[in-house]
Amino acid sequence: QQQVKQSPQSLIVQKGGISIINCAYENTAFDYFPWYQQFPGKGPALLIAIRPDVSEKKEGRFTISFNKSAKQFSLHIMDSQPGDSATYFCAASITNSGYALNFGKGTSLLVTP
Amino acid sequence: NAGVMQNPRHLVRRRGQEARLRCSPMKGHSHVYWYRQLPEEGLKFMVYLQKENIIDESGMPKERFSAEFPKEGPSILRIQQVVRGDSAAYFCASSPPHSNQPQHFGDGTRLSIL
Repeated sequence: QQQVKQSPQSLIVQKGGISIINCAYENTAFDYFPWYQQFPGKGPALLIAIRPDVSEKKEGRFTISFNKSAKQFSLHIMDSQPGDSATYFCAASITNSGYALNFGKGTSLLVTP
Repeated sequence: NAGVMQNPRHLVRRRGQEARLRCSPMKGHSHVYWYRQLPEEGLKFMVYLQKENIIDESGMPKERFSAEFPKEGPSILRIQQVVRGDSAAYFCASSPPHSNQPQHFGDGTRLSIL
């Protein structure tokens, strides 16, 4: 059973555009929501994370928007660059039960020049 | 500061053999997690260990799979009598002994079963 549902599966964005990836969850006990970026042949690297006490977090060109009532969160990549082309995973965990991450299935992002 | 080290990076085994995957966590990290990634899929949690203790193995298949994190040395994920369906990328992550720190991942071991 997929606890975190991610969409779209793939995304093509022109350079300079905004990339938007969405995730939804069911378990209201989740209290930590990270996004990971993965390049081919590499492990996932933490990009940005949010907790449910805030509705938005921004780090550089990356922004997480969080809607607790809708149980949804999204990643926005502003001014997308070809170097952002990678697979992005959202995840969710319960911090006081060990932090095991429940991942979405991933979004393959291609930013065209 | 070295990151999470996994070895080997690639491992080929024939059906019925044993596979041993190793993970050395980041310095100062005492929590280790193992995840499996099938092609075109997200990572699936397998097991969470602290030194000499298995904390959560709810994602681990009941048979043929085992994990340990001894007092000294790396964490080991062991798969006995491998089958074709075990072919996947296996990732290890580590975190320090605090509840609010993120997990840092290694670059994985790609296991291929012939």
